[in-house]
Amino acid sequence: GAVVSQHPSWVICKSGTSVKIECRSLDFQATTMFWYRQFPKQSLMLMATSNEGSKATYEQGVEKDKFLINHASLTLSTLTVTSAHPEDSSFYICSARGRGNTGELFFGEGSRLTVL
Amino acid sequence: SQELEQSPQSLIVQEGKNLTINCTSSKTLYGLYWYKQKYGEGLIFLMMLQKGGEEKSHEKITAKLDEKKQQSSLHITASQPSHAGIYLCGADQAGGGNKLTFGTGTQLKVEL
Repeated sequence: GAVVSQHPSWVICKSGTSVKIECRSLDFQATTMFWYRQFPKQSLMLMATSNEGSKATYEQGVEKDKFLINHASLTLSTLTVTSAHPEDSSFYICSARGRGNTGELFFGEGSRLTVL
Repeated sequence: SQELEQSPQSLIVQEGKNLTINCTSSKTLYGLYWYKQKYGEGLIFLMMLQKGGEEKSHEKITAKLDEKKQQSSLHITASQPSHAGIYLCGADQAGGGNKLTFGTGTQLKVEL
């Protein structure tokens, strides 16, 4: 079946640095991917919709300059957390829809970011 | 945007017992998805419901969507330790089946 992979699974960085998280669709093309954020013991919150070849669409309250999204190919979307601060520490998950309108959204394994 | 409420927030059951998790929307749903997540990991797709009154089953898990398409339930029969995790319902906001709004989640623990 379709698989969505994220990298890295976890990352620790110093405050002020930027971190890039990759989301790949391994055996299908995804024109649209979605980035979610999850705080401990809370549900997933949609951050933005990543569109291949065009600008991402951000949800209300999500800083575009803080969370840079690039969807350069049909199999890769990246989320860059710029000038990270401790409050950016979270679990980030991406999703993509499989080909053929199956109705199933596939989720990556998630990336845990810890900012010191 | 749609608001989803799940109940209960957490649940502890003994192995072998049945349980039900509910997901209620403030608006009519285009589609309702159930996922399972182990803490700190990705989401595992369980089932998708689109039609009012629809019911689907997979192994010991049954999901239903009411006729008004505003409430869904997830029922687990004869629970096992492997059922433990966080169950999330996700609502299709725009009808395209892509962008989901998630419920608050239900943490399930199954005791031996």
